Amino acid sequence: GQNIDQPTEMTATEGAIVQINCTYQTSGFNGLFWYQQHAGEAPTFLSYNVLDGLEEKGRFSSFLSRSKGYSYLLLKELQMKDSASYLCAVLDSNYQLIWGAGTKLIIKP
Amino acid sequence: TAGITQAPTSQILAAGRSMTLRCTQDMRHNAMYWYRQDLGLGLRLIHYSNTAGTTGKGEVPDGYSVSRANTDDFPLTLASAVPSQTSVYFCASSDGGSGRSTDTQYFGPGTRLTVL
Repeated sequence: GQNIDQPTEMTATEGAIVQINCTYQTSGFNGLFWYQQHAGEAPTFLSYNVLDGLEEKGRFSSFLSRSKGYSYLLLKELQMKDSASYLCAVLDSNYQLIWGAGTKLIIKP
Repeated sequence: TAGITQAPTSQILAAGRSMTLRCTQDMRHNAMYWYRQDLGLGLRLIHYSNTAGTTGKGEVPDGYSVSRANTDDFPLTLASAVPSQTSVYFCASSDGGSGRSTDTQYFGPGTRLTVL
């Protein structure tokens, strides 16, 4: 079967750095997405990786290793507004998105 | 632009009743999707449409039907609601419509449905 694993919940301090990991086992791979979802709101796009390596976009970076079936989202200089769930999703061989359950990130002052 | 709108925002429905969740996008995207999101689970695809006039089944299609008469609208119908269909429903769209697209999906605000 297809599987996306992420930690259920993480806690970090305002101003610090946090890394959210995602491991996947899917039938085929056509890219990996990270989305942010604030409580009660819609998911919003953060990043897309299809090649190995690090993609940096402001305070957020996303890393992919296809050989290891592994990605992480790195958030720097954490702000209270970063408190949200972070969803990892893999585009499989049928070009359908397989979603992880999400990681709830709690930021403390 | 409004992007994607969904209606209603929330609804309480008696089991056995039918209901249509509405979704409209103004981005002229080819592909549209319906997901349900349940606590502790990832988003699960119910139905999708790669382009107007075509639809396909996702991971959890049973008990739901869709239509895609035009580019903008993608309604989801529950013919006879059951309590297990209590969930938050998200509509999404993406530009690519070939069925082999890596385009980003954009989400509507969601409909919170409770079936009693």
